[in-house]
Amino acid sequence: AQSVTQPDIHITVSEGASLELRCNYSYGATPYLFWYVQSPGQGLQLLLKYFSGDTLVQGIKGFEAEFKRSQSSFNLRKPSVHWSDAAEYFCAVDANQAGTALIFGKGTTLSVSS
Amino acid sequence: AAGVIQSPRHLIKEKRETATLKCYPIPRHDTVYWYQQGPGQDPQFLISFYEKMQSDKGSIPDRFSAQQFSDYHSELNMSSLELGDSALYFCASSAKGAGFGEQYFGPGTRLTVT
Repeated sequence: AQSVTQPDIHITVSEGASLELRCNYSYGATPYLFWYVQSPGQGLQLLLKYFSGDTLVQGIKGFEAEFKRSQSSFNLRKPSVHWSDAAEYFCAVDANQAGTALIFGKGTTLSVSS
Repeated sequence: AAGVIQSPRHLIKEKRETATLKCYPIPRHDTVYWYQQGPGQDPQFLISFYEKMQSDKGSIPDRFSAQQFSDYHSELNMSSLELGDSALYFCASSAKGAGFGEQYFGPGTRLTVT
């Protein structure tokens, strides 16, 4: 079945440490891939996107993500986490590559410890 | 930069009442999407419109209807409200007509049904 999986429900990282949030998708072809961040009670902010081409994409706030076709993954990374990065992170796909509905993963809650 | 505007931001209704949510897309964006996010859940796609025509339909209940107007704003009409309709409702917009565009989300309308 087509799906987006974020294996980690909750992650705690020390401030200044590196971060990697995992995302796997299960679709026949490579979908368009996105990462969004949501602070409590707030809307979804687009961090970065992958359509095609270079498999390492840069986003806002110092985030990057790497698309690995062989692993059907699109993991989000940040070399040094700040306390303000604490939020909910959602991986999303547009399976039809047509600007249609986004399918979201269940999300990963990031906590940052001092 | 202009963002997606949603009104109202908060809405409290009783069971069996009706509600209307409004969405004003980013200027020059021609596509509007509606999503529903229950407590602790990932956003679920409801419906989308491109150039005032319904372009995609997700898990939208028959009690809900939506439309996009000539100025591209959209309204989500919800009737016979149920307790389970309590959620955060997001609108997103994209510039689909200019080629694929990523979706930008509004701050959401929090609907509480009592």
